Amino acid sequence: DARVTQTPRHKVTEMGQEVTMRCQPILGHNTVFWYRQTMMQGLELLAYFRNRAPLDDSGMPKDRFSAEMPDATLATLKIQPSEPRDSAVYFCASGSEPYSNQPQHFGDGTRLSIL
Amino acid sequence: SQQGEEDPQALSIQEGENATMNCSYKTSINNLQWYRQNSGRGLVHLILIRSNEREKHSGRLRVTLDTSKKSSSLLITASRAADTASYFCATDDSGTYKYIFGTGTRLKVLA
Repeated sequence: DARVTQTPRHKVTEMGQEVTMRCQPILGHNTVFWYRQTMMQGLELLAYFRNRAPLDDSGMPKDRFSAEMPDATLATLKIQPSEPRDSAVYFCASGSEPYSNQPQHFGDGTRLSIL
Repeated sequence: SQQGEEDPQALSIQEGENATMNCSYKTSINNLQWYRQNSGRGLVHLILIRSNEREKHSGRLRVTLDTSKKSSSLLITASRAADTASYFCATDDSGTYKYIFGTGTRLKVLA
């Protein structure tokens, strides 16, 4: 079965360090989403890409977060500098058009702990 | 309260019993989806129901949608220990690409 692959699965680092999370969407999917999941806030949409173009990153703290898709097989989410409040599980999901009425396929996430 | 709130927050039942979870939302939608999340894993799509549908079945899952009440329910029949997970509803933001996920129902099925 085709799957969304996220790396690393776990990351522990000290505050102030740069964190890079990677996602390989399912081949042929042209939409990619980044979510953050915490107990307090639930699942929050951070960014959305369609055909590799960023269409919405209004959910991201702009000063420290950035999301890119260098090519169709790789999406990245970077945090620089990281802060303890960034500790969460970060999920990538991909989907195919039409995006409405289609399910999103999630990776297993990156569990991030900022000390 | 946020779009897509599930009720109850937690549910514990015996194996073989039925489990019912509810989801309420606020805005108009084109469709509503239910997802399952096992501990330490990503969300897995279960079923999608369109706004012009009232009921949909998939195996042991039954989903209903009442757009007049802006609510949906997910029924899992003859539950199994393997059904233990968190269940989320997700609603599209009036046909946009954005899906807003609820807070989830934690289901525990006791063997």
